[in-house]
Amino acid sequence: LAKTTQPISMDSYEGQEVNITCSHNNIATNDYITWYQQFPSQGPRFIIQGYKTKVTNEVASLFIPADRKSSTLSLPRVSLSDTAVYYCLVGDIFVRPDNNNDMRFGAGTRLTVKP
Amino acid sequence: ETGVTQTPRHLVMGMTNKKSLKCEQHLGHNAMYWYKQSAKKPLELMFVYNFKEQTENNSVPSRFSPECPNSSHLFLHLHTLQPEDSALYLCASSQDPAGGSSYEQYFGPGTRLTVT
Repeated sequence: LAKTTQPISMDSYEGQEVNITCSHNNIATNDYITWYQQFPSQGPRFIIQGYKTKVTNEVASLFIPADRKSSTLSLPRVSLSDTAVYYCLVGDIFVRPDNNNDMRFGAGTRLTVKP
Repeated sequence: ETGVTQTPRHLVMGMTNKKSLKCEQHLGHNAMYWYKQSAKKPLELMFVYNFKEQTENNSVPSRFSPECPNSSHLFLHLHTLQPEDSALYLCASSQDPAGGSSYEQYFGPGTRLTVT
């Protein structure tokens, strides 16, 4: 069961780039890396997913080194509305009854963006 | 709006009550989940249904009983709960990516449960 380690909290200012790193030393060959964002009293929202190298979408970028033992979520030019908890998940992309469904949420990183 | 709805949004129940939480997804997904989120704790996966087949989760107390009558609906039946069961209960759905699509879970807004 792959486990993740993230910083508990981070502070930033509007307009800055924020990089949140997640460690997953025992990531398995079939595991993907997925990041979610959660605002208070809401369900988490998918941000980005990747397997290796770099993935970019309209919201963020995900950097994964060759050994895949860590990953970095990069949020460009954050705003106050990006204040939220960010979760890094590692697990098998296939949800089937016999694969232990080990995509698990950790404690997350509480990002606070200040004016 | 994520395409996953949950009712009720708030629920207060006594320890001897029986209640049910309902989740409905309008996304055509074939996997559904129940999560529990307590204050200052990570989200805990409680149950998974894939193609309506439940994955056992032996760590969840029997006072929580899931039901998945079809791929669009998921229930969580509650009975004789404890105050420590007070939490935000989140439902999610996803599509089995066997067809090559990306795996992501769509979450509902949650039910805030208070056990008195």
